[in-house]
Amino acid sequence: NAGVTQTPKFRILKIGQSMTLQCTQDMNHNYMYWYRQDPGMGLKLIYYSVGAGITDKGEVPNGYNVSRSTTEDFPLRLELAAPSQTSVYFCASSYSGSHNEQFFGPGTRLTVL
Amino acid sequence: SQKIEQNSEALNIQEGKTATLTCNYTNYSPAYLQWYRQDPGRGPVFLLLIRENEKEKRKERLKVTFDTTLKQSLFHITASQPADSATYLCALDSTSGTYKYIFGTGTRLKVLA
Repeated sequence: NAGVTQTPKFRILKIGQSMTLQCTQDMNHNYMYWYRQDPGMGLKLIYYSVGAGITDKGEVPNGYNVSRSTTEDFPLRLELAAPSQTSVYFCASSYSGSHNEQFFGPGTRLTVL
Repeated sequence: SQKIEQNSEALNIQEGKTATLTCNYTNYSPAYLQWYRQDPGRGPVFLLLIRENEKEKRKERLKVTFDTTLKQSLFHITASQPADSATYLCALDSTSGTYKYIFGTGTRLKVLA
């Protein structure tokens, strides 16, 4: 099993550009999550999904969109990138809800200039 | 307001000693609390989960306690080794029994040889 994979590893965007961060898991997990981590800060939940076709907002959803058309994939879309979106983005998955561990991907380091 | 706090200052200890990290929270009533390890440039890795009705959980050299009255969890690493050097994050389900976890900012542990 590859676990949770994320692409790209690094990206630099200009203000106003858009991009999609890809996340795939091969563990047949129902739950998937997107977090951002700023330097010296904890992980902040952006969006999560409890299954294909179901998504919901987390703590900091503004400026982002997600979709979940399959169990495996959970892409995160940034529209009109802003410097405040400079961060490290982590995708995670878990078999079910809060009593299960989350498996994290390696992260995408995004810089918006 | 709701807060989850970990000591933001780095903790330096001598090899072989027991490291104790603290996670305090206010205005939450979590059903579960998790601890993760994060190495630089990598995603968090799950270590232990403890339920609200459990006082203590152990796994090899790791021990976690959960005091819902004090609203505190302690994370212990016994016989610490330089390889234990990392940042340790605590996380709790922000609404009891759900899958929306709130993460602390983490405590950086350095074990000196």
